[in-house]
Amino acid sequence: NAGVTQTPKFRILKIGQSMTLQCTQDMNHNYMYWYRQDPGMGLKLIYYSVGAGITDKGEVPNGYNVSRSTTEDFPLRLELAAPSQTSVYFCASSSNGANGDTEAFFGQGTRLTVV
Amino acid sequence: AQTVTQSQPEMSVQEAETVTLSCTYDTSENNYYLFWYKQPPSRQMILVIRQEAYKQQNATENRFSVNFQKAAKSFSLKISDSQLGDTAMYFCALTGANSKLTFGKGITLSVRP
Repeated sequence: NAGVTQTPKFRILKIGQSMTLQCTQDMNHNYMYWYRQDPGMGLKLIYYSVGAGITDKGEVPNGYNVSRSTTEDFPLRLELAAPSQTSVYFCASSSNGANGDTEAFFGQGTRLTVV
Repeated sequence: AQTVTQSQPEMSVQEAETVTLSCTYDTSENNYYLFWYKQPPSRQMILVIRQEAYKQQNATENRFSVNFQKAAKSFSLKISDSQLGDTAMYFCALTGANSKLTFGKGITLSVRP
């Protein structure tokens, strides 16, 4: 059981480049999330999704886009990379809370540096 | 909007002693869940303990327990018999029917030998 898989683990981008951070989960979870974590700081919600075809903005959505065409996949797109987007990015998933099962499972994170 | 506040940026505790990490939150929902997550230097997020708001009994998991004060919107984590492996960043988090999972800023805990 792989859980939540994020790729890549590390990436260096030049200012203005674009990239997609991939996230896939094999637990049939409805909810998926993207967070960024700046050094020594907490996790800030970028976007989240409650099911295929449904996405919503979190606290810090500017500069990012997401899509959720399947239950399993929730890619995060950076269109024009900026130094302010240098961070560690985490993808997470959880069930819909039925039977109290609400634990979020996290990927290993992607360390992104924009230079 | 729901918020989670962790006002202590860091704490230190002697090995084998007890430490309490504080967390307060705000939500307009009646049914919600609270969590403590641990993030060691490996960066992996690990669930420590979970509390359902409708349960009055405080959750416990081995050396970890919570003090859940619903009226005060307080959710502190007590770590008993602290071990060196407990050194990590700890995050308080909240989710409700709106499905947003909101985290606090975290607290860095250092366990001294």
